[in-house]
Amino acid sequence: QVQLLESGGGVVLPGKSLKLSCAAIGFTFRSYGMHWVRQAPGKGLEWVAVTSNDETKKRYADFVKGRFTVSRDNSKNMLYLQMNSLGTEDTAVYYCAKARYSNINFGMDVWGRGTTVTVSS
Amino acid sequence: ETTLTQSPVLVSATPGDKVTISCKASQDIDDDVNWYQQKPGEATTFIIHEATTLVPGIPPRFSGSGSGTDFTLTIDNMESEDAAYYFCLQHDNFPFTFGGGTKVEIK
Repeated sequence: QVQLLESGGGVVLPGKSLKLSCAAIGFTFRSYGMHWVRQAPGKGLEWVAVTSNDETKKRYADFVKGRFTVSRDNSKNMLYLQMNSLGTEDTAVYYCAKARYSNINFGMDVWGRGTTVTVSS
Repeated sequence: ETTLTQSPVLVSATPGDKVTISCKASQDIDDDVNWYQQKPGEATTFIIHEATTLVPGIPPRFSGSGSGTDFTLTIDNMESEDAAYYFCLQHDNFPFTFGGGTKVEIK
């Protein structure tokens, strides 16, 4: 069964860093692009970032402003999101999601259940 | 950036009703729209891609229509298990954007 399992969320001070992980299970991870999406409390969904299957193409939301980096380790079936200079506005549930194909121009077909990031002093 | 305006925000429906959710784009996005269903505590479910194509395994009471700027998700003969949060996504251009979401509840 295809599954995505996020981890690494928690409470972090403003200005600090956090690295999220997403374990991919049940599909050929190296063949698909992968997205990060977030949802702040009481708000709608926001697309964060995407990487192609081979990391040759990556795109980010404008609000990332160079603070976040998406990466993957195809040998471990893992997706990552390194988040630096966190602000309270980054408080959200972060979801990883599998793209429908290898490149970055397609939407998501499988989602994880999310990991919660709280930025607070 | 393409803005997706989704309406209504809340729908209260009785089992057997027809439910219609609208998603309007601020610019032409061809048919690059997906629809998703989200229930508390569960992973999000992919239900429609490319505006009109039903994802395998999704009940045929769900359907999608539209192209360009106006898109619709329809649930015919709603069932109690369809109570959920629904949202649209455009993947025509970056940044990808989502509609604000619609909560469908059972009356």
